[in-house]
Amino acid sequence: GQNIDQPTEMTATEGAIVQINCTYQTSGFNGLFWYQQHAGEAPTFLSYNVLDGLEEKGRFSSFLSRSKGYSYLLLKELQMKDSASYLCAVTGAGSYQLTFGKGTKLSVIP
Amino acid sequence: KAGVTQTPRYLIKTRGQQVTLSCSPISGHRSVSWYQQTPGQGLQFLFEYFSETQRNKGNFPGRFSGRQFSNSRSEMNVSTLELGDSALYLCASSLGQKTTNYGYTFGSGTRLTVV
Repeated sequence: GQNIDQPTEMTATEGAIVQINCTYQTSGFNGLFWYQQHAGEAPTFLSYNVLDGLEEKGRFSSFLSRSKGYSYLLLKELQMKDSASYLCAVTGAGSYQLTFGKGTKLSVIP
Repeated sequence: KAGVTQTPRYLIKTRGQQVTLSCSPISGHRSVSWYQQTPGQGLQFLFEYFSETQRNKGNFPGRFSGRQFSNSRSEMNVSTLELGDSALYLCASSLGQKTTNYGYTFGSGTRLTVV
């Protein structure tokens, strides 16, 4: 089976940096996704990591350590519009399904 | 290009009824996955279809079923609705190949309320 853990809620200040952690335990591993979901909207793709290391994309970066079953999403220069839920999801080897964590609700305050 | 289209957006049904939800994937995408999202459980995988074949199925009772048509459009059906089936049902489309570094594209979902 697969188990994915991430913090339930986080609060950060506008302009700051926040790191959202995700740990996973899987019977097989293919890759790890991060999605952003605003309330009442569809999840939107942020990043995909399949190899160890850091992937940077503008204000967002995602890190993966396969040996530790660990990933984080780093958001820099926080903006009010970054207030959303951030979902960590993994795909297993040979599988086409996404297994999601329960999401981290990020609140950005002035 | 058009995104993933789910219809209807909102639905209210009575316990015991059945419901059919529809998903039209992005043009050229052959894989459609369905997820149930609830506040308590988060996003849970229901099933995935590729070229009209179910490739993966989640841990849901047999009341939940789906199918995919030759044009890649997909439907899911829930029979004998229960109050606990109230949720946001999300559909995601992808090319369906293993190396997918662009992610799955989700539709806006169908909000099902069972009363």
